[in-house]
Amino acid sequence: NAGVTQTPKFRILKIGQSMTLQCTQDMNHNYMYWYRQDPGMGLKLIYYSVGAGITDKGEVPNGYNVSRSTTEDFPLRLELAAPSQTSVYFCASRGGQGANTQYFGPGTRLTVL
Amino acid sequence: AQSVTQLDSHVSVSEGTPVLLRCNYSSSYSPSLFWYVQHPNKGLQLLLKYTSAATLVKGINGFEAEFKKSETSFHLTKPSAHMSDAAEYFCVVSERGATNKLIFGTGTLLAVQP
Repeated sequence: NAGVTQTPKFRILKIGQSMTLQCTQDMNHNYMYWYRQDPGMGLKLIYYSVGAGITDKGEVPNGYNVSRSTTEDFPLRLELAAPSQTSVYFCASRGGQGANTQYFGPGTRLTVL
Repeated sequence: AQSVTQLDSHVSVSEGTPVLLRCNYSSSYSPSLFWYVQHPNKGLQLLLKYTSAATLVKGINGFEAEFKKSETSFHLTKPSAHMSDAAEYFCVVSERGATNKLIFGTGTLLAVQP
């Protein structure tokens, strides 16, 4: 059971480039989340999804887009990378109602130069 | 709105001595509270969680936390620190409702000296 997996582990982008961060979970969880972690800070929620086809904004959604076409996958898209998006990105998932523990992936470290 | 405040950004202890990482929360209802640990360049691992059952919660690796409503605190403790405990620790509160959004504290970096 792999849990939550994220690819790539590391990436360097130039300003204005685009990329997609991949997140996959094999626990059949309905809920999925994207967070970013800046140095010395806790995690901040970017977007979340309560099931396939349903997504909503979190605390810091600007500059990002998401989609949820399947239960397993929840990719995060950066369209025009900016230095302010340099961060570590974590994907998480949890089961349905009553299951309040989120399980985190290993993270993607992104640098925008 | 819910929030958590981690009272110490850095804590340093000697191996074999007790660990205390402090967390206060703010919530208008009985919250769900968590402690997560993050080792260098790793993801987050759940240490323990409180969800309105027993107020003393035992977690992995000998950690425990006590929910004190009167003090709005959820401090993390361990009787004897090990070198492998050196990591960053996050106190987290969960929003009520289906979305279960997590609100993170700013973290406490635990150093363990030999």
